[in-house]
Amino acid sequence: EAQVTQNPRYLITVTGKKLTVTCSQNMNHEYMSWYRQDPGLGLRQIYYSMNVEVTDKGDVPEGYKVSRKEKRNFPLILESPSPNQTSLYFCASSDWTSGRDPYEQYFGPGTRLTVT
Amino acid sequence: AQSVTQLGSHVSVSEGALVLLRCNYSSSVPPYLFWYVQYPNQGLQLLLKYTTGATLVKGINGFEAEFKKSETSFHLTKPSAHMSDAAEYFCAVSRYNQGGKLIFGQGTELSVKP
Repeated sequence: EAQVTQNPRYLITVTGKKLTVTCSQNMNHEYMSWYRQDPGLGLRQIYYSMNVEVTDKGDVPEGYKVSRKEKRNFPLILESPSPNQTSLYFCASSDWTSGRDPYEQYFGPGTRLTVT
Repeated sequence: AQSVTQLGSHVSVSEGALVLLRCNYSSSVPPYLFWYVQYPNQGLQLLLKYTTGATLVKGINGFEAEFKKSETSFHLTKPSAHMSDAAEYFCAVSRYNQGGKLIFGQGTELSVKP
């Protein structure tokens, strides 16, 4: 089954304790990205990756890091989490280079992060 | 810069009534437009999309949307609401030269009263 998976689904942590949220897709997609969802703000892009070893900042990158060492994985790293990073996080992927259906993004189930 | 505005953060309708969720966008070039639905405690599911061609787009679960370039709008409609339609709905825009990046509206929570 084609899917994007995220782990963990729920996480409660304390300020300053480094954490990683994993994202994996099994569709061989080149494009992957991370969004955060906050009430009244919709979803905003944090980082994206056009392919392996190619990453770039989205609209709200401060406080986050990413890496893309393999095509299928795109982890989101919070090196020193703060309470303002409490949010619902979504990973997404798309097959933008195929020319067939480049703009349909497939979303993971979300990770609800609480930083106290 | 592109932006998306959804009018009304909360819309309430009665079961069987028309659903109308409004979305306006700003873009200097023709955009690609999407509606996503998020059911409680779930991820985002694509309802429908407009890329090129026919401006009236039909999606899943009886929803449709019409791209009106002159009004820069992409409103979502459904003739008859069902209780299972209660969810949050997001309008989003993308552009060809930005790969897969989506710009989302603020979201509209739809409630359906029995």
